[in-house]
Amino acid sequence: GAGVSQTPSNKVTEKGKYVELRCDPISGHTALYWYRQSLGQGPEFLIYFQGTGAADDSGLPNDRFFAVRPEGSVSTLKIQRTERGDSAVYLCASSLIGTSSPEQYFGPGTRLTVT
Amino acid sequence: GQQVMQIPQYQHVQEGEDFTTYCNSSTTLSNIQWYKQRPGGHPVFLIQLVKSGEVKKQKRLTFQFGEAKKNSSLHITATQTTDVGTYFCAAQGAQKLVFGQGTRLTINP
Repeated sequence: GAGVSQTPSNKVTEKGKYVELRCDPISGHTALYWYRQSLGQGPEFLIYFQGTGAADDSGLPNDRFFAVRPEGSVSTLKIQRTERGDSAVYLCASSLIGTSSPEQYFGPGTRLTVT
Repeated sequence: GQQVMQIPQYQHVQEGEDFTTYCNSSTTLSNIQWYKQRPGGHPVFLIQLVKSGEVKKQKRLTFQFGEAKKNSSLHITATQTTDVGTYFCAAQGAQKLVFGQGTRLTINP
């Protein structure tokens, strides 16, 4: 079946601009996660959705970052007033909760470059 | 917050040699997961360890969880070029994962 998809695959934006990154999880997965990965580092947790609600947003670095999942499926990560330090690969993952399958399935990521 | 330290950061081996990466936490972990990320790719789940002292094998890969549930290791026997990539351990805190820095494995064929 289809895996997690993310669009765009690459995004170049100017400092100060607003960007939206989209994640389409595996059908039926109730849990959705956003991570950020800088070069040479492991993924860093940003936010976790269970259904439509953000169950844990403790990883969002500041109030310029916001994410939504209005219908419990597709999610959008929104970054306002982008800064050069926001440049990274933004990974989305989804999983089933309450099953014996613990793994998170990652999408290919969106590479964000802020110039 | 929870931190997971992983060593070494890089490892270069000759094809056929063994490889080990280590993961350490200052706190007791409920479980630990291992992921592999190929160059240019995304993390792919390998395994989850839950029990103290647990050892699991997947073909040439052996995963261990320490008795105190504060450390874990991944050992690859007789590496092949297909093993190239970065291996991450990840501690599960509630639902989110806290990843180590990863060990990047390169192999000389």
